[in-house]
Amino acid sequence: DAKTTQPTSMDCAEGRAANLPCNHSTISGNEYVYWYRQIHSQGPQYIIHGLKNNETNEMASLIITEDRKSSTLILPHATLRDTAVYYCIVRVGDGGATNKLIFGTGTLLAVQP
Amino acid sequence: GAVVSQHPSRVICKSGTSVKIECRSLDFQATTMFWYRQFPKQSLMLMATSNEGSKATYEQGVEKDKFLINHASLTLSTLTVTSAHPEDSSFYICSGRATYEQYFGPGTRLTVT
Repeated sequence: DAKTTQPTSMDCAEGRAANLPCNHSTISGNEYVYWYRQIHSQGPQYIIHGLKNNETNEMASLIITEDRKSSTLILPHATLRDTAVYYCIVRVGDGGATNKLIFGTGTLLAVQP
Repeated sequence: GAVVSQHPSRVICKSGTSVKIECRSLDFQATTMFWYRQFPKQSLMLMATSNEGSKATYEQGVEKDKFLINHASLTLSTLTVTSAHPEDSSFYICSGRATYEQYFGPGTRLTVT
């Protein structure tokens, strides 16, 4: 699976949009971009995933560049409860039940009041 | 999203004893389950992948005789830490695979004294 690069930490003001970048310059054509987050001392929570089109759900939006070498997760109105470590992971899409999610170091997003 | 539970949430055991951690998918069938370990201030590290009814596949460096994994049904996987030592103290997290998404349990905090 392709490696990803994320900033170690970011701050965001409460109520503002949080934009979390991720570089995945070696991504393959059949690899999806997944985002998870982990609030302190809890299990990771699925946020969103995409292949090449931008995606939006009730939690966030995922913007993938045309060359697919980078993406941005957008939390439109960050709250204090969004403070967490955000992981960007690339993985081959469903087709094999054993495809693994390999976690990097992630970005610690601190939402400030 | 789908729900994964773990039991116990916290356990303290004495060095040399064995500890069993249960992972259940409550509202979906998980053909594949994954076990991760997380040390303080570090990312999740994949330990092993288990498929229902077959032997688990362990990641490099993970001792299969020390970390026994059983995936007897589509909704239950267990991890047994045998002859635990203080260095096995960690946060253990399981995950079940459902179609495209992978859902995580809340984690089990193991402390070996």
